[in-house]
Amino acid sequence: AQSVTQLGSHVSVSEGALVLLRCNYSSSVPPYLFWYVQYPNQGLQLLLKYTSAATLVKGINGFEAEFKKSETSFHLTKPSAHMSDAAEYFCAVSDRNNRLAFGKGNQVVVIP
Amino acid sequence: DAGVTQSPTHLIKTRGQQVTLRCSPKSGHDTVSWYQQALGQGPQFIFQYYEEEERQRGNFPDRFSGHQFPNYSSELNVNALLLGDSALYLCASSLDQAGAFFGQGTRLTVV
Repeated sequence: AQSVTQLGSHVSVSEGALVLLRCNYSSSVPPYLFWYVQYPNQGLQLLLKYTSAATLVKGINGFEAEFKKSETSFHLTKPSAHMSDAAEYFCAVSDRNNRLAFGKGNQVVVIP
Repeated sequence: DAGVTQSPTHLIKTRGQQVTLRCSPKSGHDTVSWYQQALGQGPQFIFQYYEEEERQRGNFPDRFSGHQFPNYSSELNVNALLLGDSALYLCASSLDQAGAFFGQGTRLTVV
């Protein structure tokens, strides 16, 4: 079965500092990997996706993620945090039918 | 394009009752999946519908059932509600590997 692991449920970052959220996956086949963001009382918004094309994936709102097969990782980064980045972030892996398995999420707090 | 729409947005039910949640997929999407998100947790896959058939199912009891209509819209039904069924229920639609697009969810509270 496919799965992802996100460590550290809460992540605090200063405004203007680097945002780094870690995600490691487990999959027996080449994975499809995603990062989603969830704002309070809302659904999930797709930030970016890896579908076996370029290993460095750029998404919305200045986020990007790099797929590293040797490390089974798909970490999410943003060079400079903004107050509007405060939200919950989920890493997910899917099968070919878009059945998603999510991590437990990272609650990002941005400190002014 | 209205995206994925879900109704209702909020719902309060009593233990033992039955509930039906509805989802209209993004235009052109033929696959609908349902997820349950408990407070402070990541979403958990309930089941997926494609061509009006349940294609995959997660680890949820038979009290959870669904349906997909010819226009690709979908319903999630939960019978004999338990307090533990209180959660945000998310509908996602997809077409090939473009990724799944989520609705705003239905917040179900069981009292």
